[in-house]
Parts: sequence; structure tokens; C-alpha cells
Amino acid sequence: EAQVTQNPRYLITVTGKKLTVTCSQNMNHEYMSWYRQDPGLGLRQIYYSMNVEVTDKGDVPEGYKVSRKEKRNFPLILESPSPNQTSLYFCASSFDLGDTQYFGPGTRLTVL
Amino acid sequence: GENVEQHPSTLSVQEGDSAVIKCTYSDSASNYFPWYKQELGKRPQLIIDIRSNVGEKKDQRIAVTLNKTAKHFSLHITETQPEDSAVYFCAAPVSGAGSYQLTFGKGTKLSVIP
Repeated sequence: EAQVTQNPRYLITVTGKKLTVTCSQNMNHEYMSWYRQDPGLGLRQIYYSMNVEVTDKGDVPEGYKVSRKEKRNFPLILESPSPNQTSLYFCASSFDLGDTQYFGPGTRLTVL
Repeated sequence: GENVEQHPSTLSVQEGDSAVIKCTYSDSASNYFPWYKQELGKRPQLIIDIRSNVGEKKDQRIAVTLNKTAKHFSLHITETQPEDSAVYFCAAPVSGAGSYQLTFGKGTKLSVIP
């Protein structure tokens, strides 16, 4: 089954404790990205990757890191999480920017 | 970067009526305009998209129109049903000057009243 998976789905953590949210797709997509969704602000792109080892900042990259060592995986890293990073996070993938984005199920993160 | 504005932010319609959501964008080079539907507690899913070489596209009760001169595109839902209740997002890409990203509007919460 073609899909995008994210783990964990829910996470409660404390300020400053490094965490990683994993994202994996099995559709051989080249374009992957991370979004955060906050009430009233819609979906804002954090980082995106056009292919292996090619990543770039989106609109709200501060406090986040990503890597793309393999085509299928695109983890999101929060080195020192802060309460303002409490949000719903979606990973998405597509063949290209101008193609259907397939979203993962979302990760609800709470930073205390 | 791309600026995408979406209106209205909330919309209530009676079942069977039509709903229209409009988005404007700033990057005249944008050439792909998707609409996503997000039901409560679910992930966004593509419902329809349009490319800049056409002015309108239909899929059953859903249609999207594009006006490149005015830089706006709209989602039209006819004969609305309760299952159309959701948040709808428009998006537009920006590519060039080293950027290759997708910008979403802030969303429209559509409520269809039975």
C-alpha cells in the first residue's frame, strides 16, 4: 500500500530535550517536506527536500533540522525544543513540486 | 516568496447550496494550483488541482477556476452535502531564485447545515 508514515503520532516532552520525528514514504517520491499546522495559520512549510542530500528552508525553519540520506526517509529534528514548537506536524511527499502531495497521519507534539 | 491569501476563513451553507472559496497568489510564475480537504482529525488530501494552461477543471460536484491575469483561483462546490464539511486549503508553488516550495492559504472551514 502506497503511504507516508510518521512516528511518533503523539509526543509530550520538556523544553530542551532533543527529539526526532521520523517520516518514511514507499512511493519513490523525490520531493518531501515538513509542515506545521497551527490554528488560524494553516499549513506552514518548515523544510523541504528535492532529492537525496538536497534540502532547503521553508517559511518557518528556525529551531528545526532535517536530513535526507535516503530517498524514502526525511526525519525532522528538534535539537532543543521550546513551547512555541507545540504544534501538529505533517510530513508530505510527491514526485515533484507540481504534483499531488501525500501527507502522513500527523504528529501532535507538546513541549512543556 | 509566494503569498497566498484565502477567503473566507469560515463559510456556512445550507445543504444543497453552493460554496465558493477564493485564493489569490503573488508569484506570477506559479503554474500549479491544488486544493486540499482536511476532515476533522485527518490529514489533508488533494481533491482537485489545475494547471496554468487551463481556465477551469471539473470533477463531479467540484470545480476549480483560474484567472492568471488577476492571479486568483477559486474552488466551487455545488449541491453541498454534510460530508463536504471540512477545512479546505488552497496552495501555490514558488520556484526560482533557489526556492522550490509550496505555500498554503490559511484555510476555510466549511460547514454544511443539514
